[in-house]
Amino acid sequence: EVQLVESGGGLVQTGGSLRLSCAASRFIFSNYCMGWVRQAPGKGLEWVASIKEDGSEENYVDSLKGRFTMSRDNAQNSLYLQMNNLRADDTAIYYCARLGSNWIWAFDIWGQGTMVTVSS
Amino acid sequence: DIVMTQTPLSAPVTLGQPASISCRSSQSLVHSDGYTYLSWLQQRPGQPPRLLIYKISNRFSGVPDRFSGSGAGTDFTLKISRVEAEDVGIYYCMQATQFPYTFGQGTKLEIK
Repeated sequence: EVQLVESGGGLVQTGGSLRLSCAASRFIFSNYCMGWVRQAPGKGLEWVASIKEDGSEENYVDSLKGRFTMSRDNAQNSLYLQMNNLRADDTAIYYCARLGSNWIWAFDIWGQGTMVTVSS
Repeated sequence: DIVMTQTPLSAPVTLGQPASISCRSSQSLVHSDGYTYLSWLQQRPGQPPRLLIYKISNRFSGVPDRFSGSGAGTDFTLKISRVEAEDVGIYYCMQATQFPYTFGQGTKLEIK
């Protein structure tokens, strides 16, 4: 079964950093664009960032540019999100998601998510 | 940024009856390649989102045929022909035509 498994979430103080990871399995990871989507407690979905298949280009929501950096290691079938200078409003479940083939071009596979809590 | 607006935000429905959710975008979602990257996702309580529909009207693998999508340009609709208990959850539209990708606020489907 095609699978994405996030890890790295937890409790961090305001101003701290966290690095989230997403392990992909049972599909050719290097063939797909990938993304991160977050969901604050009781709120809707917010796209955070996406990265091309070969890692050559990333795109971010404007409000997070400069604090969050997305990367990938195709040899390790892994996706990452480096989060710096964290704020209380970054508290959310962070989902890793696959952007389907060019024919689909929607987030077709999602991980279970990892919770990030930012507290003072 | 493209703003996605869903209506209603809450949809109480009787089992076996149809349901309809509307999604309107602040600008056309037609990409320069001619395709419209509007998708619908379902999020059951305590679960991650699940893709239902992509490119307006294409059902994703394993999605029951009681779900259908329609629309064009800036106005889109998700319909459930006969609501079942397992359809309870929040439904989101999402555009992937232009960065930043954006979601609607979500529509909560509940059983009357």
